[in-house]
Amino acid sequence: EDKVVQSPLSLVVHEGDTVTLNCSYEVTNFRSLLWYKQEKKAPTFLFMLTSSGIEKKSGRLSSILDKKELSSILNITATQTGDSAIYLCAVNSGGSNYKLTFGKGTLLTVNP
Amino acid sequence: NAGVMQNPRHLVRRRGQEARLRCSPMKGHSHVYWYRQLPEEGLKFMVYLQKENIIDESGMPKERFSAEFPKEGPSILRIQQVVRGDSAAYFCASSPNGTPNTEAFFGQGTRLTVV
Repeated sequence: EDKVVQSPLSLVVHEGDTVTLNCSYEVTNFRSLLWYKQEKKAPTFLFMLTSSGIEKKSGRLSSILDKKELSSILNITATQTGDSAIYLCAVNSGGSNYKLTFGKGTLLTVNP
Repeated sequence: NAGVMQNPRHLVRRRGQEARLRCSPMKGHSHVYWYRQLPEEGLKFMVYLQKENIIDESGMPKERFSAEFPKEGPSILRIQQVVRGDSAAYFCASSPNGTPNTEAFFGQGTRLTVV
């Protein structure tokens, strides 16, 4: 069975800190890895990664995939209270191009 | 352009009752996916539908659960004779084609509580 593991499960930091969230996976026929941000509503898409070593960046957020290590990291620099959310990692794998396997998420709390 | 709309946002049912969860995809999207998020668990794929067709229901329990996406109207996830273990958040996502990447947008979810 495909598995996606995120760490840490929760994290508390102060505004201005830099955080690194981890995602590792064990799947058959990897296709892509996706990061979502989930506040008290719909998960919103952040990044999709398909190739190793190519950093995706959006403002203070960046992510990179390591297919050799079967993992990805999500970095957030100069954190703000608005970054407080659950960050979800998901992997698309196998014979379908639509089915996602999600990790349990990392709960990030940014204190002022 | 409204996003994916799910209703109700919260639903309370007694054991044995039926629960109906609705999902209206984004305009122009004809593919719908349902996911379930149990407490302390990640989102789990349940079913993938296109208009009037179930494409993949491999993640849906064989009994009591059914899904449809009619030609007109929202997609419906139906749970008959609910049990406490069905309590979860149910999310719907939609896309214009069958890819779960940037083209798939999630709704805000329906939180089902079975008492």
